[in-house]
Amino acid sequence: AQSVTQLDSHVSVSEGTPVLLRCNYSSSYSPSLFWYVQHPNKGLQLLLKYTSAATLVKGINGFEAEFKKSETSFHLTKPSAHMSDAAEYFCVVSAAGNQFYFGTGTSLTVIP
Amino acid sequence: DAGITQSPRHKVTETGTPVTLRCHQTENHRYMYWYRQDPGHGLRLIHYSYGVKDTDKGEVSDGYSVSRSKTEDFLLTLESATSSQTSVYFCAIRTGLAGFGASWNEQFFGPGTRLTVL
Repeated sequence: AQSVTQLDSHVSVSEGTPVLLRCNYSSSYSPSLFWYVQHPNKGLQLLLKYTSAATLVKGINGFEAEFKKSETSFHLTKPSAHMSDAAEYFCVVSAAGNQFYFGTGTSLTVIP
Repeated sequence: DAGITQSPRHKVTETGTPVTLRCHQTENHRYMYWYRQDPGHGLRLIHYSYGVKDTDKGEVSDGYSVSRSKTEDFLLTLESATSSQTSVYFCAIRTGLAGFGASWNEQFFGPGTRLTVL
């Protein structure tokens, strides 16, 4: 079985400071992991993905995530937050099947 | 956006009426999905399809049915809508291997349908 836990439902940062959105996963198989972003009243956009290649994954808009098997984590980071980063972020796991399992989301607020 | 459209984009209906939402894709992907999004729940899988006439249930399938008679179309039907089915519904496709020119095992989403059941 697969599942995802996003450890913070809301994160607030000041513009220009680092962003950390935390995600832990559970999977019986080697997982694929994804981060999606959803801006207000918009659809979902793929930020980045891990599929068993490099453990440090770079995505769009300066975001990165590191796959840590020993910690079953896939945290999303960005060195410097921008106002346009304010959105809802979803961590997703998929493994050995056709289904994708979403976390409940983290709402990121960026304070000017 | 992987050529995914959803119709209608907005719908208001009354309890007890049937509702059908349509997802259309232009890139011949085998896998298609229907999710609902509700505050505090993220996205939850309703049904998915792995080919024409091949479908399976997801986590929250009660009260919903689906059909896929053509590769490009995946229909979600609420036989008798209830207020608890008020939600935003997203369709998604899963990309395949190199033959489709995209990476393995990614999902791309349609723009969503906002459904209100009064």
